[in-house]
Amino acid sequence: AQSVSQHNHHVILSEAASLELGCNYSYGGTVNLFWYVQYPGQHLQLLLKYFSGDPLVKGIKGFEAEFIKSKFSFNLRKPSVQWSDTAEYFCAVRRGGSQGNLIFGKGTKLSVKP
Amino acid sequence: DTEVTQTPKHLVMGMTNKKSLKCEQHMGHRAMYWYKQKAKKPPELMFVYSYEKLSINESVPSRFSPECPNSSLLNLHLHALQPEDSALYLCASSQDSGHRTDTQYFGPGTRLTVL
Repeated sequence: AQSVSQHNHHVILSEAASLELGCNYSYGGTVNLFWYVQYPGQHLQLLLKYFSGDPLVKGIKGFEAEFIKSKFSFNLRKPSVQWSDTAEYFCAVRRGGSQGNLIFGKGTKLSVKP
Repeated sequence: DTEVTQTPKHLVMGMTNKKSLKCEQHMGHRAMYWYKQKAKKPPELMFVYSYEKLSINESVPSRFSPECPNSSLLNLHLHALQPEDSALYLCASSQDSGHRTDTQYFGPGTRLTVL
């Protein structure tokens, strides 16, 4: 079955540290890839998405992600985190051609210490 | 504007009650979704409506009954729920679920507690 793996359950960083959250998926065909963020008490918000083209995609709030097809990965990065980045981060995969079925990873909780 | 609204924000119901969750979007999207999210877990897809027709039912128990009265509205009717159904219920919408570059936008959710 198709699955999405996020390796880190909880990441704790100090402000200004660099961030990389891992995401791997198991499906071998065409995929659409997403990162969503859920701030405490708020709804899921789209950070960035990849459909095709340049494998390095830039999103909101200084986040970027790199699609590496050979590694089935779509890792999220940010050069310098802020306290306001404290949130739950979800990677999601939509199999190409599927009718809207987003498969989410289990999420990574990011805690940024001021 | 990528706003999806959901009402109510919180709902407490007994196992014999009948209640409904509502979702609305005015972005002209033609696909709408219900997800269930348990604490510290990712969202799990329940239903997909595409052009007001149910296109995906992820083997959801019949005590959950979705309804799409028009392209802007999505309801989830609840009846005879169990305590384990307590969760955050998320609604999402997207332009067209069959389109290659389709992107889902989520509402804030309804926090449901079943006593």
